[in-house]
Amino acid sequence: DSGVTQTPKHLITATGQRVTLRCSPRSGDLSVYWYQQSLDQGLQFLIQYYNGEERAKGNILERFSAQQFPDLHSELNLSSLELGDSALYFCASSVGQGQGAGQFFGPGTRLTVL
Amino acid sequence: EDQVTQSPEALRLQEGESSSLNCSYTVSGLRGLFWYRQDPGKGPEFLFTLYSAGEEKEKERLKATLTKKESFLHITAPKPEDSATYLCAVQGNYGQNFVFGPGTRLSVLP
Repeated sequence: DSGVTQTPKHLITATGQRVTLRCSPRSGDLSVYWYQQSLDQGLQFLIQYYNGEERAKGNILERFSAQQFPDLHSELNLSSLELGDSALYFCASSVGQGQGAGQFFGPGTRLTVL
Repeated sequence: EDQVTQSPEALRLQEGESSSLNCSYTVSGLRGLFWYRQDPGKGPEFLFTLYSAGEEKEKERLKATLTKKESFLHITAPKPEDSATYLCAVQGNYGQNFVFGPGTRLSVLP
């Protein structure tokens, strides 16, 4: 158990809908990262937040957005969902701003878009 | 652009048969190279961070090494419970992103 929690574990929805994924980092970790993992794309970095502020952006679509709250939990919002958004979404956390530090991953949320 | 490749794509070993996994990378100044283990349907599990060429780290049957262009994950006398996908990732000095390789799927047969 990494100490990172994610909810829900599974999410099934329809195209065009909007969903919110939630993540709580390990106690003491200030950085939260979001990743998307699909069979054909591997693990893709989406976005990082550090202590409430956006720190780095990866291959995140404009339909996706995230935020980190004062209690350090984070939410990833996915809107106008498409079939291709079906994937495992992982949250990870690390000490500090993540410069050279290993990340600890949560169990993931499996999103299925029908 | 930072890039990571891993080989082989898949590896089948008999229990006790030692081998190595390769991670080749290109990065604009290496801030860190990371190894993870991932079981099917689960989140990656952090194994090691390597920071500079020549560095080595060990954990049980696993040993990671680093050169300026690649890293190896040596598995000594593997057991069936070592079966998993092993992921390599890099972080460069000029970006905050972590770039992951496609992974090596390891199967250890009893």
